[in-house]
Amino acid sequence: ETGVTQTPRHLVMGMTNKKSLKCEQHLGHNAMYWYKQSAKKPLELMFVYNFKEQTENNSVPSRFSPECPNSSHLFLHLHTLQPEDSALYLCASSPGLHYSYNEQFFGPGTRLTVL
Amino acid sequence: KNEVEQSPQNLTAQEGEFITINCSYSVGISALHWLQQHPGGGIVSLFMLSSGKKKHGRLIATINIQEKHSSLHITASHPRDSAVYICAASVSNTGNQFYFGTGTSLTVIP
Repeated sequence: ETGVTQTPRHLVMGMTNKKSLKCEQHLGHNAMYWYKQSAKKPLELMFVYNFKEQTENNSVPSRFSPECPNSSHLFLHLHTLQPEDSALYLCASSPGLHYSYNEQFFGPGTRLTVL
Repeated sequence: KNEVEQSPQNLTAQEGEFITINCSYSVGISALHWLQQHPGGGIVSLFMLSSGKKKHGRLIATINIQEKHSSLHITASHPRDSAVYICAASVSNTGNQFYFGTGTSLTVIP
């Protein structure tokens, strides 16, 4: 148990659906991250939030929309996804952004399948 | 070419063996992370280091900044060490940028 929870753990959706992934951290951290992990590919950093402010968007398509209402919660809203978006989506948090204290604490991930 | 390269991609060892996983990177880094991912997806941070060596139990991580190389060692390996080990480079002081290796899949046989 890392102190980071994600729901749902598994999600199957059609290309026209709208769904949201939720992440919550109970560690008192200030930074939160969304990652995508596709088969046989390195982890890809998607979004970074620090004190609820988005600090990084790594050229992620607009069909992925993040939301960070407070430092403990992070959402990823999904709409009109493509089959190639099927992947494991991981949330992480860290005490801060500076490299000296950005050790990552990961959630269990949401396995997303787009039909 | 990936900014972070790991070797080997797959590794099978007998229980008790000493294991080394290597990571080379081509970018300037602020810190180097070693992560462990078990089947099912959960990732755990093992080490974060920017110089020298760190030890935690049977795990040792070293980094050579001049050679842009890091190693993860497992002493007296055990089947429960079977997992994917991922090397990640934090490349900015602000923590916004990470480059990840593709991982080394380790299987330890009893």
